[in-house]
Amino acid sequence: DAKTTQPTSMDCAEGRAANLPCNHSTISGNEYVYWYRQIHSQGPQYIIHGLKNNETNEMASLIITEDRKSSTLILPHATLRDTAVYYCIVRVDQGGKLIFGQGTELSVKP
Amino acid sequence: DTAVSQTPKYLVTQMGNDKSIKCEQNLGHDTMYWYKQDSKKFLKIMFSYNNKELIINETVPNRFSPKSPDKAHLNLHINSLELGDSAVYFCASSRSGGRVYEQYFGPGTRLTVT
Repeated sequence: DAKTTQPTSMDCAEGRAANLPCNHSTISGNEYVYWYRQIHSQGPQYIIHGLKNNETNEMASLIITEDRKSSTLILPHATLRDTAVYYCIVRVDQGGKLIFGQGTELSVKP
Repeated sequence: DTAVSQTPKYLVTQMGNDKSIKCEQNLGHDTMYWYKQDSKKFLKIMFSYNNKELIINETVPNRFSPKSPDKAHLNLHINSLELGDSAVYFCASSRSGGRVYEQYFGPGTRLTVT
């Protein structure tokens, strides 16, 4: 079972920041938080990951609370092409297994 | 250049047939995976191979047999296809090691069993 809880869907206006929350209250100290997204009919795409500190790359920012029980993915200026299902994943082992939950369906509207 | 490629993109076949899906990655990764996405859009891992050795084998019917001829290829062979096998199958690859690395996914193969 996925160790994360995400809202089923969210809307965001084009050009505004999209803030996608994720709860992972049972996360262990050495488990990373990963974010992937899946644009319709495509394979999942890696976005960002973090352990304790906030992270930023060219796609997004990841804010992890101090107790690590929740995180927020931020798309600073959402575009229509960011419409996708966003998955928050807590890695469970070193074997590489990603356990996908239901994700958040983000709709970016003009 | 395509990082992770799969063939075919679409596959329509009848129950009872045997089919294969091929996957190739040109990223130099040594770990490859197969995932299944069903009609409800849930993505679930099926297999993982590291350096041509099976390291993850989820509860998958033994009609499914992955084969890795080398580190760049991981093929999925399915025997005696059933209606419930209809799904989108994704191949992925990643580096391996002490850290956990991001996975790169292929475009998927939509399998329809009639």
